[in-house]
Amino acid sequence: GAVVSQHPSWVICKSGTSVKIECRSLDFQATTMFWYRQFPKQSLMLMATSNEGSKATYEQGVEKDKFLINHASLTLSTLTVTSAHPEDSSFYICSARDFRTSGRPDEQFFGPGTRLTVL
Amino acid sequence: KQEVTQIPAALSVPEGENLVLNCSFTDSAIYNLQWFRQDPGKGLTSLLLIQSSQREQTSGRLNASLDKSSGRSTLYIAASQPGDSATYLCAVRNYGQNFVFGPGTRLSVLP
Repeated sequence: GAVVSQHPSWVICKSGTSVKIECRSLDFQATTMFWYRQFPKQSLMLMATSNEGSKATYEQGVEKDKFLINHASLTLSTLTVTSAHPEDSSFYICSARDFRTSGRPDEQFFGPGTRLTVL
Repeated sequence: KQEVTQIPAALSVPEGENLVLNCSFTDSAIYNLQWFRQDPGKGLTSLLLIQSSQREQTSGRLNASLDKSSGRSTLYIAASQPGDSATYLCAVRNYGQNFVFGPGTRLSVLP
């Protein structure tokens, strides 16, 4: 149980284009989803927190107009990198938390990540 | 602001050794602490979650301890195997806050 998937697993795009990454909780309802970015040999940095049905909360320094987050349902959140540039190339990881799941309400479950390369 | 550090940054050991990975955090008023494993180019796999009221958690060959007063957690791996090679991340959550991740320890277990 508690599986989080991401799609695509990798994507290569040209500078200036927009890329959408999907994050799904497969066997539970995720009231809260998180988006992280990880640069090579560095740890995860939280970009934003999204709660189903409401606007995402962005961390300081993360441009909300560049990284659009939509959490329209309890099983799906999307991150759209708009007008991507080479410096946006990174590993993007989502995670999900379900406060209502008994037994493991405080754990976060992570997706496998999406590697974005912007040429 | 919570800060998390991990020592050592990298570790290489022969197969079969018992080893200890360390995690330190600056704000001891934590809600919980979680250890993860990350294989190269992959996402995170949860290993152990320790609530603030707990002192340790065990799963198979893994044992994680928590000492809130000193701001430390250790991950003990018994009888290490080459399949244990990965980066191990410690993440700390304070009340009402999100996870803060440490930089990780890259472990290589040599056959």
